[in-house]
Amino acid sequence: QAGLTQPPSVSKDLGQTATLTCTGNNNNVGNQGAAWVQQHPGHPPKLLSNRGNSRPSGISERFSASTSGNTASLTITGLQPEDEADYYCSAWDSSLSGRVFGGGTKLTVL
Amino acid sequence: EVQLVESGGGLVQPGGSLRLSCAASGFTFSTYGMNWVRQAPGKGLEWISYISGSGNTIYTADSLKGRFTTSRDNAKNSLYLQMNSLRDEDTALYYCVRDSWAPEYWGQGTLVTVSS
Repeated sequence: QAGLTQPPSVSKDLGQTATLTCTGNNNNVGNQGAAWVQQHPGHPPKLLSNRGNSRPSGISERFSASTSGNTASLTITGLQPEDEADYYCSAWDSSLSGRVFGGGTKLTVL
Repeated sequence: EVQLVESGGGLVQPGGSLRLSCAASGFTFSTYGMNWVRQAPGKGLEWISYISGSGNTIYTADSLKGRFTTSRDNAKNSLYLQMNSLRDEDTALYYCVRDSWAPEYWGQGTLVTVSS
């Protein structure tokens, strides 16, 4: 199953803004939009944003998602130590009839 | 509160079989599609399968078709994953995931270790 492309790692200073990207194609991100999940070590992933770029209840306003063409982005403002985690994007792929994930981005807050 | 509790993982020899279960509560199970997603140690997330709320539509990752089968029993609020001809590379934490056009709620996972 072909996946989505994410940078393996991003490092930002405390309080700064991080923008994570996720690149797909017309069959997945470009057509269906992408969701974002956050995973801390030893814990299951947690949904941050659904494919309509809206946040589930309880998710901080510091997290915002957007899509432009075949690229989805997750922006995290006012970085906090607890934001240090792995972030995965995911989209339904209409040509594969399956869900695809990105390889994940490890965010380090310095 | 939505709860998803996986079970059935364990140590199995290569070539063996295992059946995972996921017990759902806190929502009307039959109205939601469900996914299985796995994560090998130190690796990323890999989608395995999706099954619709009625169970009439099932999609499985091409690489796993023929070995992995997903099913559900709405009367028991349960999701299942039958895994056959297991290989070393199937070693992973297996998650049950509720779907709302996004991987919305995740269980804690059940660990499957394939080793001789």
